[in-house]
Parts: sequence; structure tokens; C-alpha cells
Amino acid sequence: QLQLQESGPRLVKPSETLSLTCTVSGGSISSSSSYWGWIRQPPGKGLEWIGTVYYGGTTYYNPSLKSRLTISVDTPNNHFSLKLTSVTAADTAVYYCARLSPHFDWLLSYFDFWGQGTLVTVSS
Amino acid sequence: EIVLTQSPGTLSLSPGERATLSCRASQSFSSSNLAWYQQKPGQAPRLLIYGASSRATGIPDRFSGSGSGTDFTLTISRLEPEDFAVYYCQQYGNSPLTFGGGTKVEIK
Repeated sequence: QLQLQESGPRLVKPSETLSLTCTVSGGSISSSSSYWGWIRQPPGKGLEWIGTVYYGGTTYYNPSLKSRLTISVDTPNNHFSLKLTSVTAADTAVYYCARLSPHFDWLLSYFDFWGQGTLVTVSS
Repeated sequence: EIVLTQSPGTLSLSPGERATLSCRASQSFSSSNLAWYQQKPGQAPRLLIYGASSRATGIPDRFSGSGSGTDFTLTISRLEPEDFAVYYCQQYGNSPLTFGGGTKVEIK
């Protein structure tokens, strides 16, 4: 059974960089047609797609975050990562990593496996 | 960007009753690219429906999805105690991927 686990600092200061890693187990991050994504959820609010990465390294970002966002993949270590710069209190959220269902086209894929999520708080 | 509007915001029902949740899109898109998720407090969302009407693995047949164009529906035929949760729709045919604001199904 595929499992995903987010890890990283739970508290980040304003203007600094939020960094998270999603470790994949029970399967290979470089399986054919494998896309991986980040989604966040501010406390008490709805879900927001952050971005998606292909195991080969191609990335797709939400335009609302693109200028501050980097998503990368580390296939030897079977994980992918998120970096969000210049954070503010508005970036406080539960951050989820997830797999998109295998498909040659990421826009034909839905999120079928999710990590448990990690709450990241932006505060001084 | 495709905006998804879910209604109602909250649905108060009793176990055994039928729940009908709506998801309306700001523009038409392929009905093949609409998913529904269930989220319980403190948990990650769980995939229920993809392709507007296909149940994900292990999802009971009391959950069904329908719709096309701009109007989509999730129906729970008979609510079980474990079905009280928040439900989100999501479109995945257009970038950016977007989610609806959610419908909370609560015990009446």
C-alpha cells in the first residue's frame, strides 16, 4: 500500500522560507506516469492546490504562488519537496502531499493517495 | 481559473436519510475531470469519486456521483454514522486545479 509522509519544520518565521519533504513508501516515486502534488488547507478553511511535479522533474504551479514556489523531486531517495519563500501568516496551513493517479497527462489525474498532513505555522 | 461553488454549505440530516450535495462550476469542462473527496476532522481528504461518477476503490455503493457541463452532484443514498463529514469537489481538467469550498454533512 502506497504511503506518503510529510516532514519539516512546524514553525516558520515571517519572511523566511517554508520547506517540506514528502517521503513515499510502498512504491517508487519514479513509476511510469507518476505525478506528485502539494495541497494546503488553512485552519478551518478549504483546500488549495499548490503545485505538481513529475518524477522527471517537470513542474506545474498554482499561479497565485508561482513567484515564491519551488517543487523538486529526489528519485534516489524516493521523496519530493516544497519550498515556499517570503512566507506570511496567510501561509499558515496544513500542508498535504499526495499522488496523482497514474496517467500520461497530469490534467487527467486526480489525487488518489494522500499523506496525513502537517500543520505549518508562520509566526515570529 | 474554474471556480467551483458547493451548496449547501451545511446539510443537517439524520442517519438513514438521503444526502444530495451540489457542485457548480463557473465554466463548463469535461465531466471526466471531476472528483469528490470526504474529509473527517483531523484527517486527510479521501477520494470517493473520480470521473464524475466512478467510485474509488473500497468506496461503498451508497455513494454515487453524477452530472456534466457545469453541474455535478454527489448523492449518499442512506447516511451511515461514519458519513458525517465535509465533502469537497475538485476539477482536474484545467490548471490551476481547483476545489470547491466544501459541504459539511452534520447530524441533525
